[in-house]
Amino acid sequence: AQTIHQWPVAEIKAVGSPLSLGCTIKGKSSPNLYWYWQATGGTLQQLFYSITVGQVESVVQLNLSASRPKDDQFILSTEKLLLSHSGFYLCAWSLGWGGAQDTQYFGPGTRLLVL
Amino acid sequence: QQQVRQSPQSLTVWEGETAILNCSYENSAFDYFPWYQQFPGEGPALLIAIRSVSDKKEDGRFTIFFNKREKKLSLHITDSQPGDSATYFCAASQGGSAKLIFGEGTKLTVSS
Repeated sequence: AQTIHQWPVAEIKAVGSPLSLGCTIKGKSSPNLYWYWQATGGTLQQLFYSITVGQVESVVQLNLSASRPKDDQFILSTEKLLLSHSGFYLCAWSLGWGGAQDTQYFGPGTRLLVL
Repeated sequence: QQQVRQSPQSLTVWEGETAILNCSYENSAFDYFPWYQQFPGEGPALLIAIRSVSDKKEDGRFTIFFNKREKKLSLHITDSQPGDSATYFCAASQGGSAKLIFGEGTKLTVSS
C-alpha cells in the first residue's frame, strides 16, 4: 500500500525567514508528485508538479520553489517567507495522467503560520 | 477567472436526507472530474470520480450526475449521516495534463 508522509506537521515562522517542507511517498515507484496550497477555508491551488527526479514544473508564482532530489521525495522551499505564505500545504501523487492514472492522492498536509 | 464553480457555498441537511452539491465548469476540454472530501485539518480524500464519457457514476450512497452539454455536474449523497459533514471539492482536469483545477468547495453539515 502507498503511504504519503509530510513534514513537519505544523510550523510557525517569522516573516523573512527561510522555509523547507518535505513530502515522501512510499510503496510507489516513479510517481508524479504535486504541491498545493490552501488558504484557511479556501480552495486548493496547484503550485508545482514533477514527473521525474530533478524535473519540476511551476504552475503559479508565489515566491516559492520546489525540488525533487529523490524519486520518492518532494521539497517545497523559500528563502524569505511572506505573510501571504500562511496556509495549508498539501503534497499529492498520481501514477501518471490519462485514464485511471489521473487520480491524485493527497497527504495529511503541513500547517504554516507566518507572523 | 474561476474555471470550476461550486454551489451552494454551504449546505445543511437533516440526517437521512439527500444532499445535492453542484459544480459547473468552463473549459469544454475537461474530461475528468474527481470529487474530494476534506475534514478540518486533514488532506482531501478522493470520494468518487467521473469521466466525460459517462453521465452517471455511483458508489454506495454517493452518485455523480454529469451533463456534458451544459457543463454541469452534481454530487448526490443519499441517506446523509453526521459523519458526512465535511467540505466537498469538485475538481476538473484535461486528459494528458498534470493540472487539476479545484472549485471553491461546499461545506456540508448533516444535523441529527
